[in-house]
Amino acid sequence: EAQVTQNPRYLITVTGKKLTVTCSQNMNHEYMSWYRQDPGLGLRQIYYSMNVEVTDKGDVPEGYKVSRKEKRNFPLILESPSPNQTSLYFCASSTAGELFFGEGSRLTVL
Amino acid sequence: DAKTTQPPSMDCAEGRAANLPCNHSTISGNEYVYWYRQIHSQGPQYIIHGLKNNETNEMASLIITEDRKSSTLILPHATLRDTAVYYCIVRGGYSGGSNYKLTFGKGTLLTVNP
Repeated sequence: EAQVTQNPRYLITVTGKKLTVTCSQNMNHEYMSWYRQDPGLGLRQIYYSMNVEVTDKGDVPEGYKVSRKEKRNFPLILESPSPNQTSLYFCASSTAGELFFGEGSRLTVL
Repeated sequence: DAKTTQPPSMDCAEGRAANLPCNHSTISGNEYVYWYRQIHSQGPQYIIHGLKNNETNEMASLIITEDRKSSTLILPHATLRDTAVYYCIVRGGYSGGSNYKLTFGKGTLLTVNP
């Protein structure tokens, strides 16, 4: 089954404790992306990757890092999380057409 | 990416057609119109996309005006399960190094009433 898998789905952490949200897709898609969703602000793109070792900033990249060492994986790294990064995060992948989204990762930073 | 404008909310009676408008007056020639929806806090789901011509699939129809400055998503027989936030997005095609900074906007909350 074609899918985008994110982990963890839920996480509560504390300020400054590094964390990684993993994203994996099984569709051999070149394009992958991360979004965050906050009440009243809709979905905002954090980073995207057009292929292995090719990444670029989206609209809200501050405080985040990404890497794309393999085609199937696109982890989102929060080196020093802060409370304003409390949000619902979505990973997505795509080829020439529709975006496939993961089920989301709800992150709370205390 | 060209920006889109959608009404913040709409209501529709169950069984009736839901017509969701989207304005994308700055769309460029190689940009497609995509529609997604998001039910509660689930991952957004692809509905349909088009470039110039009207499109139809098992979920919906997409009507794009001749000048491509606006479009309408039509759910022909809305059900309660169609209650969701609907996003209209324009994005470049995959060839030719298009802009991949996708902007979703706030979408339209469609509420289907019994």
